[in-house]
Amino acid sequence: RKEVEQDPGPFNVPEGATVAFNCTYSNSASQSFFWYRQDCRKEPKLLMSVYSSGNEDGRFTAQLNRASQYISLLIRDSKLSDSATYLCVVNVGNQGGKLIFGQGTELSVKP
Amino acid sequence: NAGVTQTPKFQVLKTGQSMTLQCAQDMNHNSMYWYRQDPGMGLRLIYYSASEGTTDKGEVPNGYNVSRLNKREFSLRLESAAPSQTSVYFCASSEGMNTEAFFGQGTRLTVV
Repeated sequence: RKEVEQDPGPFNVPEGATVAFNCTYSNSASQSFFWYRQDCRKEPKLLMSVYSSGNEDGRFTAQLNRASQYISLLIRDSKLSDSATYLCVVNVGNQGGKLIFGQGTELSVKP
Repeated sequence: NAGVTQTPKFQVLKTGQSMTLQCAQDMNHNSMYWYRQDPGMGLRLIYYSASEGTTDKGEVPNGYNVSRLNKREFSLRLESAAPSQTSVYFCASSEGMNTEAFFGQGTRLTVV
């Protein structure tokens, strides 16, 4: 079993739709959590960190459930520019630890 | 504003050849990472270095070696390249475990 698993894609949605991505992690010692975005095989870039209390950044909302070892990302009012691959990332361990990526979920927003 | 710099950007090797991928960061980060990315596989961690002087295996270390030369530089070596090592390689760095990781632009390696 992979340490970080994501919903398989691709997700094809119309502009304005709400879309949710899910992610599970297997190591209960995981310390920190992130969502990254990757465009066209370019380098991944941080979209947002995920905090225990949940956090929101504009149209994006991230949630963490430590008991279920589950992370989610909600995108509201999807834009064409949201088309990308979304990567769930978990940092396992202390002193820096291992930064483990899920396999990514591709999102395609259509006009 | 260099951030994380990887060299080379592209490389073609013959099976059995060796090479070293170079990575340097100018953000004074403690942690550095090497990943490979294959279609449908996401990024898989090869090796990481939590701090200067330490290195640890990641998910797919076989066939690779690393050196944390100093705080700035973290190199990845392929001693005897195989076609299965054809991939896009990314180097990354971060201040610590709860902070953003910054990536280089990637090295596209083909082994024939």
